[in-house]
Amino acid sequence: AQTVTQSQPEMSVQEAETVTLSCTYDTSENNYYLFWYKQPPSRQMILVIRQEAYKQQNATENRFSVNFQKAAKSFSLKISDSQLGDTAMYFCAFNNNAGNMLTFGGGTRLMVKP
Amino acid sequence: DTAVSQTPKYLVTQMGNDKSIKCEQNLGHDTMYWYKQDSKKFLKIMFSYNNKELIINETVPNRFSPKSPDKAHLNLHINSLELGDSAVYFCASSQVLGGVRETQYFGPGTRLLVL
Repeated sequence: AQTVTQSQPEMSVQEAETVTLSCTYDTSENNYYLFWYKQPPSRQMILVIRQEAYKQQNATENRFSVNFQKAAKSFSLKISDSQLGDTAMYFCAFNNNAGNMLTFGGGTRLMVKP
Repeated sequence: DTAVSQTPKYLVTQMGNDKSIKCEQNLGHDTMYWYKQDSKKFLKIMFSYNNKELIINETVPNRFSPKSPDKAHLNLHINSLELGDSAVYFCASSQVLGGVRETQYFGPGTRLLVL
């Protein structure tokens, strides 16, 4: 079974600065997918970024980028130029090739301070 | 346009009651899911349906019964509600493309409180 670990329960960052959220996972599979989801106070789960394990290039979506280290089974999220609207819970998630379900980490609560 | 919708958004009920949560997706996806988020924000899969057929049933009490009348709907019925059922329940959907089950998109969640 896969496991996903987020070692930072809470983090804070000043507005306009950069912050990195950590995620590690454990799997014996070679092909899989990794995701970061954002959950603001509204409770909605919003996809932030997605990475296919077979792609060596790190995914980027505007201010959000990942550092995917397959050998180390690490998948960190970097948020550049943090904005107040980035305040939310962030969940790292793993999906195997069959894609039958997402396995989530415990989440990191991020607070962006003005 | 709402992609994945759930009703109701809030549900307060007494222990022992039976309740249902409805989910609909208008994305044309072939797979739908139910997840439970507990009070510590931990998210865990409950069920997964592909083309109306159950493909995942994690260790969920049989008081929980999913029903998929068609590919666009996956409802969750809960019998004999218990205090520990209080949580946020999320519906999600995804599509198989080229043999790969793509990104899951979530509904807004239903907050269930059992008194």
